[in-house]
Amino acid sequence: AQSVTQLGSHVSVSEGALVLLRCNYSSSVPPYLFWYVQYPNQGLQLLLKYTSAATLVKGINGFEAEFKKSETSFHLTKPSAHMSDAAEYFCAVSHSGAGSYQLTFGKGTKLSVIP
Amino acid sequence: EAGVAQSPRYKIIEKRQSVAFWCNPISGHATLYWYQQILGQGPKLLIQFQNNGVVDDSQLPKDRFSAERLKGVDSTLKIQPAKLEDSAVYLCASSLGLAGDRSSETQYFGPGTRLLVL
Repeated sequence: AQSVTQLGSHVSVSEGALVLLRCNYSSSVPPYLFWYVQYPNQGLQLLLKYTSAATLVKGINGFEAEFKKSETSFHLTKPSAHMSDAAEYFCAVSHSGAGSYQLTFGKGTKLSVIP
Repeated sequence: EAGVAQSPRYKIIEKRQSVAFWCNPISGHATLYWYQQILGQGPKLLIQFQNNGVVDDSQLPKDRFSAERLKGVDSTLKIQPAKLEDSAVYLCASSLGLAGDRSSETQYFGPGTRLLVL
């Protein structure tokens, strides 16, 4: 069965510092992987996705993630944190079952940015 | 292009009452999903529709939850009767492709309905 583990339920960084949010996945087949961001009282917004093309994926708002098969990881990074990056971030893995594709989400990492 | 619309945004009810949520997906999207997101957790899939048919409802507590997508566009999710543990955000998402297409893996989410059961 597919699963996602996000290390650290809460991460704090200073404004301008590197953002690193960790995600490890378990999948029996080559996965599609996603990062979503959720701002307070809003739905989830797609940041970026890995679909077996380039292993380094660039997304919106300066975020990027690297797929590392050997480490079963898909960590999210941003070189310089901005106050507006404060939100909750969810990693998800796609899997198929009953003839359809579905997403399994991690528990999320809440990012705080300290001025 | 308009995003996924949901209403109401907030709802407070007492336990044993009933409640209904509405979702209008992005125009032309074939696949629609309802998720439950409990505080501090990631979204959990409740039910998946392709057009007006159910693809997967294995995670839907059918003794109290029901959902429909009669004309293959809008969808409603109902809880009757509600329990305290149903307090959560209910998210609707849609994707362009059919449920069995890999393009369906990119899902677009609505703002959610925050339910509080007292």
